[in-house]
Amino acid sequence: GAVVSQHPSWVICKSGTSVKIECRSLDFQATTMFWYRQFPKQSLMLMATSNEGSKATYEQGVEKDKFLINHASLTLSTLTVTSAHPEDSSFYICSAPPGTAYEQYFGPGTRLTVT
Amino acid sequence: DAKTTQPTSMDCAEGRAANLPCNHSTISGNEYVYWYRQIHSQGPQYIIHGLKNNETNEMASLIITEDRKSSTLILPHATLRDTAVYYCIVRVSSNTGKLIFGQGTTLQVKP
Repeated sequence: GAVVSQHPSWVICKSGTSVKIECRSLDFQATTMFWYRQFPKQSLMLMATSNEGSKATYEQGVEKDKFLINHASLTLSTLTVTSAHPEDSSFYICSAPPGTAYEQYFGPGTRLTVT
Repeated sequence: DAKTTQPTSMDCAEGRAANLPCNHSTISGNEYVYWYRQIHSQGPQYIIHGLKNNETNEMASLIITEDRKSSTLILPHATLRDTAVYYCIVRVSSNTGKLIFGQGTTLQVKP
C-alpha cells in the first residue's frame, strides 16, 4: 500500500535555531501534501497545505514566515520551523492523498523538542 | 465541512465488538463520513468511509443511519492493538482533501 515517510523521526534543537522536516511519498506522486501539528493529549491541527510547484496555503493563525513549506517535487515536501522556540515543541505529521480523493496516508510523525 | 460529536472515551473487552458512535446532525447530502484512528505516537490510519450505505472492509464496518445524522464504527473483534483514538470526520469527497480532526474517541481495549 501507499507509504509516506518522515525524516527525522525525532529532533532536539536549541532555541533560536531552524529545523527542517521532510515528508516523502514513497510509492506514489502527490501534488498536494498536508502538514499537521499535535500537542500532547490534543487532536491534530491542520497547519498548511503544501502544493507542488506553487506556494503553500496556510490555515488561519499559522505564521507562514515561521513555518516555511517547500514542495519541490511530486514526492517531497519540507517543513522548516524557523527560529524555533520551546512553544514550537510538538509532534509534526504530514499526509498525502495517493491520487484517489477518499483517503489519505499519513507519515509516522516527527517529534520536535526545542530546548 | 459538517461538525461531528463523539464520546471522549470508551472501554471494550478484548474479543468483543467495539461500537463507536458519531453524531453528525448537520451533514450535507454530498458529504462523506470518514473514520481514521491514531495509535499512540503514530500518524493516523485510514479505516473506512461511506456516503449513505453501510460499508465493510477488512478492518471494520460502518453503519450510517437512514437520515445520515449519525453513524457507528464497528470493530467486530477488538484486540489490544485496537487501542487508539478514533476520529470521525465528515467532508465532501471532492474537496481539496484536507482533513479537519475533532477530539475523537479514545478506545481502550482491555484484556
